[in-house]
Amino acid sequence: AQSVTQLDSHVSVSEGTPVLLRCNYSSSYSPSLFWYVQHPNKGLQLLLKYTSAATLVKGINGFEAEFKKSETSFHLTKPSAHMSDAAEYFCVVILLRGSTLGRLYFGRGTQLTVWP
Amino acid sequence: SQTIHQWPATLVQPVGSPLSLECTVEGTSNPNLYWYRQAAGRGLQLLFYSVGIGQISSEVPQNLSASRPQDRQFILSSKKLLLSDSGFYLCAWASGTSVYNEQFFGPGTRLTVL
Repeated sequence: AQSVTQLDSHVSVSEGTPVLLRCNYSSSYSPSLFWYVQHPNKGLQLLLKYTSAATLVKGINGFEAEFKKSETSFHLTKPSAHMSDAAEYFCVVILLRGSTLGRLYFGRGTQLTVWP
Repeated sequence: SQTIHQWPATLVQPVGSPLSLECTVEGTSNPNLYWYRQAAGRGLQLLFYSVGIGQISSEVPQNLSASRPQDRQFILSSKKLLLSDSGFYLCAWASGTSVYNEQFFGPGTRLTVL
């Protein structure tokens, strides 16, 4: 069963306009949720994380995400896109595997393009 | 602060040759360590994880293996590479204090098998 679904494989925006990257998850328990960003040929960098504290989570580089349990969503937003935001974004959930080790489930990624 | 290193950064190897990729972590003790592969146009696939020295768990059957000879060293190996082993290999670490801790990724190794 798919645990994380990123609804858009590609998103294109103009510089200065808002960014919305959508993510839905499936979990029987309260999950921990993350957004990572990956620039070309680089490792993944943690943008923000949700761990059952505030439902609106602020991250680095002006990004934020809101955990909505009723919608099982954790969409990533930014009010104004910058050229440097062009990258691939991964929504990630941690689920217990029936052992003491949490397992990360990655969405397939959303490629964000920012036009000048 | 914690840092994670991977080398080499890029590697081109012929089919049938051996492989050794190394990952080291600094600034933390007893981390959980992970190897992922990211093929072109696909998400990340967990290959191996380790919760301690000499403790390796494999997620998928394959011709790769992993070892953890020291607390902060994680090695990915193969005796004979296949074309399908090409990809971007990422090492990650997480604190072992909680199963809900985020993972921190290394810069990756780009492997091309010809």
